[in-house]
Amino acid sequence: DVKVTQSSRYLVKRTGEKVFLECVQDMDHENMFWYRQDPGLGLRLIYFSYDVKMKEKGDIPEGYSVSREKKERFSLILESASTNQTSMYLCASSFPTAFYGYTFGSGTRLTVV
Amino acid sequence: GDSVTQMEGPVTLSEEAFLTINCTYTATGYPSLFWYVQYPGEGLQLLLKATKADDKGSNKGFEATYRKETTSFHLEKGSVQVSDSAVYFCALSRTTDSWGKFQFGAGTQVVVTP
Repeated sequence: DVKVTQSSRYLVKRTGEKVFLECVQDMDHENMFWYRQDPGLGLRLIYFSYDVKMKEKGDIPEGYSVSREKKERFSLILESASTNQTSMYLCASSFPTAFYGYTFGSGTRLTVV
Repeated sequence: GDSVTQMEGPVTLSEEAFLTINCTYTATGYPSLFWYVQYPGEGLQLLLKATKADDKGSNKGFEATYRKETTSFHLEKGSVQVSDSAVYFCALSRTTDSWGKFQFGAGTQVVVTP
């Protein structure tokens, strides 16, 4: 069964900590994405990557960075966590075109206290 | 820019009732349209899609028709079950977008009671 795996379902971090969210896919997808999901706002794109070591900013990149050293792994980094980054974070992967849609991970619910 | 507008929820209905979730979009060109479903505690799953005008996507008893004239892609199911309780997201992707990025609506929560 193909899948996108996010390393943690729940995380609690303190303000100012550096936080790493990990995502691994086993479908040999070229594209990988990080979204955050907030009530009433839907999904907002933070960053995406279309190849190893390549990245593009999404709609809300401020306060975040990403790393893609291997094709199957895409990491989201919160350089200095703040309370307004408390959210559900969703990783997704896809082939280069949208035709087949995205495959999503189960999400990481991050709470920053 | 591109956008997707969904009806606000929650939508509460009884088992075996008819479900409609409205979705309209704004986009240049000819986007592909999708419905995703998110069950409690899970990520999003692709429910159905349509890639050109008048196409009908269907899956698990759900249907949606790509209406270019009304820029709509409403989701329907004739008889819902308690297991259909979830959040439903309408989304579009422009075929000219080389990255295959999606624009999602805000989501509509559906609650089905026995």
